[in-house]
Amino acid sequence: SAVISQKPSRDICQRGTSLTIQCQVDSQVTMMFWYRQQPGQSLTLIATANQGSEATYESGFVIDKFPISRPNLTFSTLTVSNMSPEDSSIYLCSVRGARGGSYEQYFGPGTRLTVT
Amino acid sequence: AQSVTQLDSQVPVFEEAPVELRCNYSSSVSVYLFWYVQYPNQGLQLLLKYLSGSTLVKGINGFEAEFNKSQTSFHLRKPSVHISDTAEYFCAVSTQGSGGSEKLVFGKGTKLTVNP
Repeated sequence: SAVISQKPSRDICQRGTSLTIQCQVDSQVTMMFWYRQQPGQSLTLIATANQGSEATYESGFVIDKFPISRPNLTFSTLTVSNMSPEDSSIYLCSVRGARGGSYEQYFGPGTRLTVT
Repeated sequence: AQSVTQLDSQVPVFEEAPVELRCNYSSSVSVYLFWYVQYPNQGLQLLLKYLSGSTLVKGINGFEAEFNKSQTSFHLRKPSVHISDTAEYFCAVSTQGSGGSEKLVFGKGTKLTVNP
């Protein structure tokens, strides 16, 4: 499996501000994903981030609101822009393709965001 | 589009009792199936996966699941649960996402509570 870390682990932010979440993996991976888990809900995919190309966003998510960077094969960032209370969620980074595993997908510990 | 249905939102059981968490998926093509566990205030941990081959798959912590293609089910079982198994369990199916890459679609989760 892959060891994935996220920073920050939690934050409380004011509406209208932006927060950048970092995801670091201990090995090179082909695919990285960002998910949102709203309170009491399941996981929803925000976007897929592949190194060297633009992120691919799912329906309902746009780049202006959730810009993503993927500068290399072990790191990615997700920014939550112009936040509102509705953005209060856990944001999880996920990877696939660690250590030769093509189908297994592993998750970071998550970033718990509260917007006031 | 793929979908995953977890039939029980909450399952309370007593310690050392057997448990089954139900999962059904919709698909007209081959799928990969996964069960994840989320302990309180933590990220998701991969419990087990079905990619191909034997329909009975064994995972970590004594859990197993059976793939039933005719019933499009992938139910999770454990013959004797412990207090430490208290967590939320998510069933997921791998499907085609935006841009052609595979993505995971999650069920809404089943909260397993093991009582002494």
